[in-house]
Amino acid sequence: TQLLEQSPQFLSIQEGENLTVYCNSSSVFSSLQWYRQEPGEGPVLLVTVVTGGEVKKLKRLTFQFGDARKDSSLHITAAQPGDTGLYLCAGANTGTASKLTFGTGTRLQVTL
Amino acid sequence: NAGVTQTPKFQVLKTGQSMTLQCAQDMNHNSMYWYRQDPGMGLRLIYYSASEGTTDKGEVPNGYNVSRLNKREFSLRLESAAPSQTSVYFCASIARVGYYGYTFGSGTRLTVV
Repeated sequence: TQLLEQSPQFLSIQEGENLTVYCNSSSVFSSLQWYRQEPGEGPVLLVTVVTGGEVKKLKRLTFQFGDARKDSSLHITAAQPGDTGLYLCAGANTGTASKLTFGTGTRLQVTL
Repeated sequence: NAGVTQTPKFQVLKTGQSMTLQCAQDMNHNSMYWYRQDPGMGLRLIYYSASEGTTDKGEVPNGYNVSRLNKREFSLRLESAAPSQTSVYFCASIARVGYYGYTFGSGTRLTVV
């Protein structure tokens, strides 16, 4: 079973601070996705990274896929209350027939 | 709006009762999934259907059955509910794994007493 561990599990910061969330595995993934989930809703896709070493930016969010495609990070610059939510990474392996493996999640709270 | 529709949104069952969670997508996606989400455990795959006419077990299939009724609909059945099945259940669909994201429904919050 492929496992994806996220750290930290919980993060409470003030508006304007920077933060990094990590997603680590001992397995290689063909691609990795990040989702954000708000209370009472399903997760929503933020980004997909497919190439080792790839960096993608989405406004204040920067996503990086590790060179060996075993890990990923999400960096948020100048966090805002609207960034509050549960962040989930998910790895895809083309050898496992259409399945994604989800990480354990990082719950972020940004306060004024 | 296009997307994944789940019904019901909330349900309370007594131990031993049965029920079916319904899921339908209107995006012409081939693959559909059922996940459960429990605190601190992320999303765990129960069953999935890679294409119409096929279903396969995921990580935690015990106590559940599924039916891929057609390309749009994928239902999850609890034959004899147990308190351990108290969870939030999400249905998702995807056009192509690894290149596009899952589209999730808004979930069914199930409590078994």
